[in-house]
Amino acid sequence: AQSVTQLGSHVSVSEGALVLLRCNYSSSVPPYLFWYVQYPNQGLQLLLKYTSAATLVKGINGFEAEFKKSETSFHLTKPSAHMSDAAEYFCAVSRSGNTPLVFGKGTRLSVIA
Amino acid sequence: EAGVAQSPRYKIIEKRQSVAFWCNPISGHATLYWYQQILGQGPKLLIQFQNNGVVDDSQLPKDRFSAERLKGVDSTLKIQPAKLEDSAVYLCASSLSRALTGELFFGEGSRLTVL
Repeated sequence: AQSVTQLGSHVSVSEGALVLLRCNYSSSVPPYLFWYVQYPNQGLQLLLKYTSAATLVKGINGFEAEFKKSETSFHLTKPSAHMSDAAEYFCAVSRSGNTPLVFGKGTRLSVIA
Repeated sequence: EAGVAQSPRYKIIEKRQSVAFWCNPISGHATLYWYQQILGQGPKLLIQFQNNGVVDDSQLPKDRFSAERLKGVDSTLKIQPAKLEDSAVYLCASSLSRALTGELFFGEGSRLTVL
């Protein structure tokens, strides 16, 4: 079965600091990997996705993630945090293009002024 | 382009009562999903439709949950009778097709509180 583990349920960074949100996946075949963001009282929005093309994926709002097969990781980074980045972030995996997403438990990002 | 619409946004009921949630996906999206998001957890798939057919309902508690998408557009998720552990946000999402190289578009969710 496919699964993802997000390390740290809550991450707090200072405005302007590096954001690093960790995600490790479990998959028996090359996976499709996704990061979604959820702002308070809103639905989820796709940040970026990995679908076996380039291992470094750039997304919206300055976020990027790198697929590392040797480490089974897909960590999300942003060089400089902004107050507007405060939200819940979910990593998700799919075994193929036709199977539903399996989400991690989420990491809440707080940005301190 | 209009997004995924869900209603009601909030619902409070007592245990053993029934509740129904409605979802209108983005126009032209063939695939529709219902996810359950319990506080502090990630969304969990309940059911996936392709047009008006069920693709995956393996995690739907069929003794109390039901869902339909009769004309391949709108969908309704029903819970009867509700239990305390059903308190959650019910998210509807749609995509152009089952191929997930595309993007899932989520609605704002329907928050259910069972007392």
